[in-house]
Amino acid sequence: GESVGLHLPTLSVQEGDNSIINCAYSNSASDYFIWYKQESGKGPQFIIDIRSNMDKRQGQRVTVLLNKTVKHLSLQIAATQPGDSAVYFCAENAPDSSYKLIFGSGTRLLVRP
Amino acid sequence: DTEVTQTPKHLVMGMTNKKSLKCEQHMGHRAMYWYKQKAKKPPELMFVYSYEKLSINESVPSRFSPECPNSSLLNLHLHALQPEDSALYLCASSHPQGQGGYTFGSGTRLTVV
Repeated sequence: GESVGLHLPTLSVQEGDNSIINCAYSNSASDYFIWYKQESGKGPQFIIDIRSNMDKRQGQRVTVLLNKTVKHLSLQIAATQPGDSAVYFCAENAPDSSYKLIFGSGTRLLVRP
Repeated sequence: DTEVTQTPKHLVMGMTNKKSLKCEQHMGHRAMYWYKQKAKKPPELMFVYSYEKLSINESVPSRFSPECPNSSLLNLHLHALQPEDSALYLCASSHPQGQGGYTFGSGTRLTVV
């Protein structure tokens, strides 16, 4: 069935280093992907999105890469800061209904000072 | 206004109580969503409203009753809940078919006693 999963449940990085959070998806027909950041006690916050007709998209300190061949999505955070500590979810837009957003299981990012 | 506002932020209710969760957005989004999130888990879709009509019900028990009075408001009526229904309830909105991404509220932390 459809699933969006993450390889690493917890990622610990040194402040100032770059972070890479990975996500695998199983449905090759998915055409829209979003990364969310969720801090404790808050709702998911949009970080960056990408459509399936693109391989890469850059934002401020963040880059999303999409590899459709292996159905892999990654979020790169440059110069990781303490404020980046949170749980990160990837999500895909289900092709059977454009209104359904399927979330991956999440990765906790811990930034060491 | 680029926010989704949810009230109350916290709610404790007994299993015989009736309560309602409220969600409001003024971004002109015509799709609105209810998600349920248990601790350390990703959000799970419950309901989708499109143009004020219920379009998706993810087999949610009838003790949860959604309502969309107008294009800016979304309610979730709760009755005879169980302790296992305790969770963070998130509201989200988007343009139809998720164009431009989904905006989430901060959620209502519900505890059923």
